[in-house]
Amino acid sequence: QVHLVDSGGGLVRPGGSLRLSCAASGFTFTDYYMSWIRHTPGKGLEWLSHISGRSEVKYYADSVKGRFTISRDNAKNSVYLQMNSLRVDDTAVYYCMKIDGGYGDWGQGTPVTVFS
Amino acid sequence: DVVLTQSPLSLPVTLGQSASISCRSSQSLLHSDGDTYFIWFQERPGQSPRRLIYKVSNRVSGVPDRFSGSGSGTDFTLKISRVEAEDIGIYYCMQGTHWPPTFGQGTKLEIK
Repeated sequence: QVHLVDSGGGLVRPGGSLRLSCAASGFTFTDYYMSWIRHTPGKGLEWLSHISGRSEVKYYADSVKGRFTISRDNAKNSVYLQMNSLRVDDTAVYYCMKIDGGYGDWGQGTPVTVFS
Repeated sequence: DVVLTQSPLSLPVTLGQSASISCRSSQSLLHSDGDTYFIWFQERPGQSPRRLIYKVSNRVSGVPDRFSGSGSGTDFTLKISRVEAEDIGIYYCMQGTHWPPTFGQGTKLEIK
């Protein structure tokens, strides 16, 4: 059974940094792309970034390109999102997702609040 | 990127009545492998998004059969028959055929 646990969110000032983690279990981690998605009440759901199983392929949405970095540690079955230069409009709940044809496996989400 | 346009954005319904949400894509979502990677999610207040329907019309295990998905190509519909109070929330469509995957704006279902 697939299980994804998101962590690392919190309160931070504009310009600050956070590192989100997603611990995965219940499937062969290296076989799957993983992604980060965020949800804000105003803008809805936004696909931020994804990474291939061996980290050869990485994608970033324009809204986070140059500020966020996705990575994974296959030995730890974990995917990360390093978020730098955070802005107020990065305030959201962040989810990791296992990418397959069903798009049904999400973490529980970790909230990030950027406040001035 | 593919743009998904949902309508309506707000949907007041009477308990027991049916509700229908439309999602229109800026391009066909039929993948070259023959599948259509189109998904409906439900987001209840204070909860993570929950997948209801995948590949257009396949209901996820445990989802009531009051929920049904249909459509093809660029036009898709989520129908909820006999709306119940627990159905309150925001409904999102999503496509995974063309990368990056994209989401609709969300439709807020509320009880009249």
